[in-house]
Amino acid sequence: AIQLTQSPSSLSASVGDRVTITCRASQGISSALAWYQQKPGKPPKLLIYDASSLESGVPTGFSGSGSGTDFTLTISSLQPEDFATYYCQQFNSYPRSFGQGTKLEIK
Amino acid sequence: QVQLQESGPGLVKPSETLSLTCTVSGGSISSYYWSWIRQPPGKGLEWIGYIYYSGSTNYNPSLKSRVTMSVDTSKNQFSLKVNSVTSADTAVYYCARGRAGEDWYFDLWGRGTLVTVSS
Repeated sequence: AIQLTQSPSSLSASVGDRVTITCRASQGISSALAWYQQKPGKPPKLLIYDASSLESGVPTGFSGSGSGTDFTLTISSLQPEDFATYYCQQFNSYPRSFGQGTKLEIK
Repeated sequence: QVQLQESGPGLVKPSETLSLTCTVSGGSISSYYWSWIRQPPGKGLEWIGYIYYSGSTNYNPSLKSRVTMSVDTSKNQFSLKVNSVTSADTAVYYCARGRAGEDWYFDLWGRGTLVTVSS
């Protein structure tokens, strides 16, 4: 099974900051990676698919990059509504798996 | 627009069977892969498996021996059963749709339902 390791596990930042979250796969997964945002008490929301494609309706301040084993999610300028937990998910092989999450908190 | 709604008991006794149903409204269950994903309180996400509208399935090996999924296209519903539950099965259970007829990633989620395993 493919393991996904996110770093950092938690992050404190301020409104307006540029933030980068990393997801590393235990083996190559090409570009078969998605990113989700989850707020407390809510289901995850798809942000990015195919490593770098922005889901419809998601603000352009979100971007994804990477391929193979190393991926990043970048938020160019943090907005108050962006404080949440972020998960990566691979769909290169079964079982589908998620990273452990990165909690983004207000500094 | 298409919506998903999980339903089922919120409390299950240890060693018994957890049973949940996901109802698809505003659209057809056909031509999509439908997954179950769970999240223990305060923890991360775990993919349980999928069922295609035709009935084919793929389960996470970590749960495969205890999981059964089924689909009822006439009711636009699909279901999850997990038998021999323990406290480790306590979680919020989500149903989710695979994007564009594939099971790659999930573009639509239910609100989730908390299932607690306790005597």
